Amino acid sequence: GAGVSQSPRYKVAKRGQDVALRCDPISGHVSLFWYQQALGQGPEFLTYFQNEAQLDKSGLPSDRFFAERPEGSVSTLKIQRTQQEDSAVYLCASSLGRRGNQPQHFGDGTRLSIL
Amino acid sequence: DQQVKQNSPSLSVQEGRISILNCDYTNSMFDYFLWYKKYPAEGPTFLISISSIKDKNEDGRFTVFLNKSAKHLSLHIVPSQPGDSAVYFCAAMYSGGGADGLTFGKGTHLIIQP
Repeated sequence: GAGVSQSPRYKVAKRGQDVALRCDPISGHVSLFWYQQALGQGPEFLTYFQNEAQLDKSGLPSDRFFAERPEGSVSTLKIQRTQQEDSAVYLCASSLGRRGNQPQHFGDGTRLSIL
Repeated sequence: DQQVKQNSPSLSVQEGRISILNCDYTNSMFDYFLWYKKYPAEGPTFLISISSIKDKNEDGRFTVFLNKSAKHLSLHIVPSQPGDSAVYFCAAMYSGGGADGLTFGKGTHLIIQP
């Protein structure tokens, strides 16, 4: 499709399990972002890639969170030893670049529930 | 510390009237502001943006106004239509470096009454 695609749409995991969330950005988009959205809140920035380079990971809440984009297209967000507070919607966005006139386009997110 | 604030969690407007959604920010380094619309179970959809060097940007029924001295922006929707019912997020960015992502407000749930 033409938009940002995320999978799975829903993920349920037991506390302590590892999870991997996938993002397929819009073809040709250099910039890729991950956000975490808790219930009733706005999305919060996690990390940013320019092509395959992770240029900013200042928003990752702990070292249990890891993201990669090895070939500069598909990205994976991995959460190790999940905790209940990791329950949230994880949004991926892509854009042509980082300039203000190059808006980010979002996928529909992965809703993660940790039991 | 919330750098982007949307103080109205919800807003109800009659169909055909003007909807005005407000947003305040505290970080004077922000140089671009964006509005996103979100339906349930979908990702945010980009609506309109404005550079800090402008005070108004218009696109069809949507107009964004920026008051830099007051650190305030607003989104006007005229006329409001039933399909406009959604959560609207205000977002800001600093394109010159530092944190690379958008900073979002908590959103305003707009309800268009028939």
